[in-house]
Amino acid sequence: DIQMTQSPSSLSASVGDRVTISCRARQTITSYLNWYQQKPGKAPELLIYATSTLQSGVPSRFSGSTSGTDFTLTISGLQPEDSATYYCQHRATFGPGTRLEI
Amino acid sequence: QLVESGGGLVQPGGSLRLSCATSGFNFSNFWMSWVRQAPGKGLEWVGQISRDGGEQYFGGSVRGRFTFSRDNTKNSLYLQMNSLRAEDTAVYYCANEGSGTTFVSWGQGTLVTVSS
Repeated sequence: DIQMTQSPSSLSASVGDRVTISCRARQTITSYLNWYQQKPGKAPELLIYATSTLQSGVPSRFSGSTSGTDFTLTISGLQPEDSATYYCQHRATFGPGTRLEI
Repeated sequence: QLVESGGGLVQPGGSLRLSCATSGFNFSNFWMSWVRQAPGKGLEWVGQISRDGGEQYFGGSVRGRFTFSRDNTKNSLYLQMNSLRAEDTAVYYCANEGSGTTFVSWGQGTLVTVSS
């Protein structure tokens, strides 16, 4: 299986900030890189699929992009409800997660 | 909507069967997956089953011990877990899949605890 890394493992930011979370694959992967948001005690929810396509209902302040084997989740204009752990995923592999505290 | 059930406390070496009841989408058109999360840990893909149940793929840590099944007439998915180990302790989620093994919708999860 392809190994995925995420950075940072955790971060703290303020309402209105712009943050980026990185996900790196150990080898070249297809564009099926997905991002999920998980709040404490809740199931994960799909945010972005195929690198940059926003899932229906997800606010437009979330966006995804790629540069080769590096993938980025950007949240522009942080809101208090964005406090969560974010996971990238490709096929059978999830990244270790990034905990975002607002 | 996806609703898991069947979790609970089981002794090491024991067995347990989880169910996932679905509604609101055409169940028979979707591959389905199980994903688990050990307490305080990240997400781990358990495996997937094809639309007609004819194909199954498993994560390395459960291969040979877990099996999947589905009943498309009941819109339900099942996970049979045998030879359970302490490290199988986790919340188990079912999810339907979109293209490229994208986990589109998730259930709320059911907790399995393996302990003597």
